[in-house]
Amino acid sequence: NAGVTQTPKFRVLKTGQSMTLLCAQDMNHEYMYWYRQDPGMGLRLIHYSVGEGTTAKGEVPDGYNVSRLKKQNFLLGLESAAPSQTSVYFCASGQGGHNEQFFGPGTRLTVL
Amino acid sequence: AQKVTQAQTEISVVEKEDVTLDCVYETRDTTYYLFWYKQPPSGELVFLIRRNSFDEQNEISGRYSWNFQKSTSSFNFTITASQVVDSAVYFCALSESDSGTYKYIFGTGTRLKVLA
Repeated sequence: NAGVTQTPKFRVLKTGQSMTLLCAQDMNHEYMYWYRQDPGMGLRLIHYSVGEGTTAKGEVPDGYNVSRLKKQNFLLGLESAAPSQTSVYFCASGQGGHNEQFFGPGTRLTVL
Repeated sequence: AQKVTQAQTEISVVEKEDVTLDCVYETRDTTYYLFWYKQPPSGELVFLIRRNSFDEQNEISGRYSWNFQKSTSSFNFTITASQVVDSAVYFCALSESDSGTYKYIFGTGTRLKVLA
């Protein structure tokens, strides 16, 4: 099992460009999450999904959109990238509730 | 509001020393769960342990041990006889439910450096 995978691993964007981060999991988990990790701020939840076709806002959703068209995939989109979105993005999946989450390897995004 | 505080930003120890990572939490719920995750230099967070609010028994797993004290709202993590491979960022997290929605809050992490 690959667990949780993320594509791409690194990306550099110019301000105003758009991109999509792909997360895939092969554990048949209902719940999927997108976090961003910034120095001194831990992990902050951007958006999450409780099942195929559903999405919900987390703590810092502005500037991002998500889609969960298939149970195994969770896409994070940046429509018009800004330097403030320079961060490391982590996808996670899990059974929801009070269960542990399984994380992908992260995507390091730099917006110039 | 729920909150997780890891006051130690960075700790350096020499190999074989014991080290304790502190975690203090705030919650209004009576039912909640606490977690520890490890983020090695490779970047991927790895789940270490989960404890629920009704189980205050300490837990030991090899060189790792966890001390949960509701009276002080703390869930501390001790590594005994530390090794270089323990060098990582460690995150404490809290999970509670709010009107049927589960919220997962991470602390800011403690970077542990174990020197050979």
